[in-house]
Amino acid sequence: AQKITQTQPGMFVQEKEAVTLDCTYDTSDPSYGLFWYKQPSSGEMIFLIYQGSYDQQNATEGRYSLNFQKARKSANLVISASQLGDSAMYFCAIRAGRDDKIIFGKGTRLHILP
Amino acid sequence: GAGVSQSPRYKVAKRGQDVALRCDPISGHVSLFWYQQALGQGPEFLTYFQNEAQLDKSGLPSDRFFAERPEGSVSTLKIQRTQQEDSAVYLCASSLEVLNTEAFFGQGTRLTVV
Repeated sequence: AQKITQTQPGMFVQEKEAVTLDCTYDTSDPSYGLFWYKQPSSGEMIFLIYQGSYDQQNATEGRYSLNFQKARKSANLVISASQLGDSAMYFCAIRAGRDDKIIFGKGTRLHILP
Repeated sequence: GAGVSQSPRYKVAKRGQDVALRCDPISGHVSLFWYQQALGQGPEFLTYFQNEAQLDKSGLPSDRFFAERPEGSVSTLKIQRTQQEDSAVYLCASSLEVLNTEAFFGQGTRLTVV
């Protein structure tokens, strides 16, 4: 079975600083995908970034990058130059194979301070 | 519509009442997921369809919960004899049958059992 662990329930970060949100995962499947979603107070789930288990390079999407350390089963999200609008819940998720479900972690609530 | 559509957006049910929650996925999306999200928590997996086949229902909390997707498109999550602990946001998501693509979420149905 797949599992996602997010150990930071909440974080406070000064605007314009970089922030790292931790995510570790567990799966026995060699082929899997890792996802990060943002959920603002409005409740919508917004996809941010994807990393495949066989991808050689860390994924990047604008200010978002994924620090993928396969041996440590770690997939931390890095947000550069944080903005007030980054304040939200952030969820890490895993899908082990295209025929499998997507499992989410408990999330990290990020607060960006002006 | 272009996105995942869920209805109703809000539902208040008296304890013991049956409810039906509808999800219209993005056209052509083979995979469909249902999640239950309590306030401040991560989405908890309920069930997963690939076309009309329910591949995994391991997350359904009791036999009062039932989901179907008879024609491989629209899905309905039914909760019989609702109880207060069923109060939550129910999220539906759909995706292509490809590992390296994100799931798109609907706005959710907020169920309140009184």
